[in-house]
Amino acid sequence: AQRVTQPEKLLSVFKGAPVELKCNYSYSGSPELFWYVQYSRQRLQLLLRHISRESIKGFTADLNKGETSFHLKKPFAQEEDSAMYYCALRGAQKLVFGQGTRLTINP
Amino acid sequence: GAVVSQHPSWVICKSGTSVKIECRSLDFQATTMFWYRQFPKQSLMLMATSNEGSKATYEQGVEKDKFLINHASLTLSTLTVTSAHPEDSSFYICSALPGGTSTDTQYFGPGTRLTVL
Repeated sequence: AQRVTQPEKLLSVFKGAPVELKCNYSYSGSPELFWYVQYSRQRLQLLLRHISRESIKGFTADLNKGETSFHLKKPFAQEEDSAMYYCALRGAQKLVFGQGTRLTINP
Repeated sequence: GAVVSQHPSWVICKSGTSVKIECRSLDFQATTMFWYRQFPKQSLMLMATSNEGSKATYEQGVEKDKFLINHASLTLSTLTVTSAHPEDSSFYICSALPGGTSTDTQYFGPGTRLTVL
């Protein structure tokens, strides 16, 4: 079975501080992990995926198979980063989402 | 970029009536579309996978006779909530997967909020 856990429902940090949104997964096969973001009153959109190993808007995420984690990080938070973030796992051709973390960046 | 629309964006109906929600890929063809349901402050739960020209695949626990899915064209999938009841009130989101390309990125619609009185 596929399962994604985001332990923090809410996360609040000050502008300029580092941010880490935690994501752990459970899947017996080889997973594909994603981070999706939903800004206020906008639709869900892909932020990044582990296969690409890219940095989007200053965010990075590394897949750690040993710890079954895919934490999202940014060294210096910006106010525009305030949004809802969902970690997702694709296995068996379907996406399973975590509960989401609402990130608030305080000025 | 790839855009997915949903119509209506919100709907209020009486208990016992049926409601149809449309999901359209505006600038690409989608061989596969997905329907999700999201309760307040909860995550997206996959309801079904819709493939153009074939029957939808429903997730465990989702009543296929209650949530009718039709994917009659490469740009349109519809979700009909039959005999809606207050417990069906939720936020319904679709996503579309472009066909004929190497990308496996799903593009999401803005969602439809259904309120059943």
